[in-house]
Amino acid sequence: SAVISQKPSRDICQRGTSLTIQCQVDSQVTMMFWYRQQPGQSLTLIATANQGSEATYESGFVIDKFPISRPNLTFSTLTVSNMSPEDSSIYLCSLLGGATAETQYFGPGTRLLVL
Amino acid sequence: GENVEQHPSTLSVQEGDSAVIKCTYSDSASNYFPWYKQELGKRPQLIIDIRSNVGEKKDQRIAVTLNKTAKHFSLHITETQPEDSAVYFCAASKTNFGNEKLTFGTGTRLTIIP
Repeated sequence: SAVISQKPSRDICQRGTSLTIQCQVDSQVTMMFWYRQQPGQSLTLIATANQGSEATYESGFVIDKFPISRPNLTFSTLTVSNMSPEDSSIYLCSLLGGATAETQYFGPGTRLLVL
Repeated sequence: GENVEQHPSTLSVQEGDSAVIKCTYSDSASNYFPWYKQELGKRPQLIIDIRSNVGEKKDQRIAVTLNKTAKHFSLHITETQPEDSAVYFCAASKTNFGNEKLTFGTGTRLTIIP
């Protein structure tokens, strides 16, 4: 399966600032996903990012707050803009893999704490 | 959209006993149902999955059953071991529709008592 890395692994940020999270994959993938996992909670999909097209956002998430880039088939970034303490979460990227490309595999996550 | 409910939220079992976690889904078009295990501070890891054309799948001590009519699926772990302690998430998606996003259940914190 593909190797997925994320940078940074964790960060502490001040409210009002922005953080860009990077997701790097060691093979080319069409669909990438960005999830948020709030403390002690389940995973919630933020958006789906396909290379060469605008990201598709889920209800409750907007591009101005979570802009996403997908410049090529191995890389994506998620920016958390104008952060508030409510944005403190783990942010994970994922991709489709496996024999039938149905299975999602997750990156190690980025732990964000907003003060 | 899809809604996935998961029960129980916490589960404690004696080592060696079996554990069962249940999920229900709302969208009858969902056709792929993975289970993930998340250890503290780690990423979710796929442990088993099932597709809608199969009623049961087993992998050593882990099995998943699916009832399409009732729209529910369950994870069964037999002969539990301390390393099975983790949070387990069920999920559902509609694959091959160009919409492979996963909808997750709320999670079950499983504790194995030595």
